[in-house]
Amino acid sequence: SYVVTQPPSVSVAPGQTARLTCGGNNIGSKSVHWYQQKPGQAPVVVVYDGSDRPSGIPERISGSNSGNTATLTIGRVEAGDEADYYCQVWDSTSYWVFGGGTKLTVL
Amino acid sequence: EVQLLESGGGLVQPGGSLRLSCAASGFTFGTYAMNWVRQAPGKGLEWVSALSGSGDSTYYADSVKGRFIISRDNSKNTLFLQLNSLRAEDTAVYYCARDRVIRGVTHFDFWGQGTLVTVSS
Repeated sequence: SYVVTQPPSVSVAPGQTARLTCGGNNIGSKSVHWYQQKPGQAPVVVVYDGSDRPSGIPERISGSNSGNTATLTIGRVEAGDEADYYCQVWDSTSYWVFGGGTKLTVL
Repeated sequence: EVQLLESGGGLVQPGGSLRLSCAASGFTFGTYAMNWVRQAPGKGLEWVSALSGSGDSTYYADSVKGRFIISRDNSKNTLFLQLNSLRAEDTAVYYCARDRVIRGVTHFDFWGQGTLVTVSS
């Protein structure tokens, strides 16, 4: 089965840039989606297909994907960005796979 | 406005059964594949099952295969998940989520607010 790995936590000061990673074997060949989940709320997609943003998601949130690592980059971090972030990929044997999630803390 | 509203959660004993529903509105339900995703307390997201728009194709995570059954009633815009032979480790909030296909790539674009299933004696 396909496994994707995320660091459990990332901390960043307001106004700085947060980089959240999602590792997997040759993940660069897959379409990676990112979801933001705030406490008590359902997940919301913030980036799909590696780097596309749904309407309403600010441009300071971006995604990239190459080799064995996909990255969600959040620029000019705000207190409201504090949340859990999950990456997701489709695998032909495991079907939908989520990473374990990264808790983003804004210091 | 797209809305997904789950119901049917509750407290059930180990070995018991439960049927979850997800009522959809604001879109042509039968043209979208749908999913169930769960989240155990304090844990991450786990995909559970998926069903094509027509209901012809089903997919299950290994952890629930043979115990859970996904189905839908397109005339009532409702998705279901039948949970059988429940175990303590099935305790979670269960979300329904809509597939969205863009340029041949699928992601989950709308999620419900979830319904809590607690398996305990």
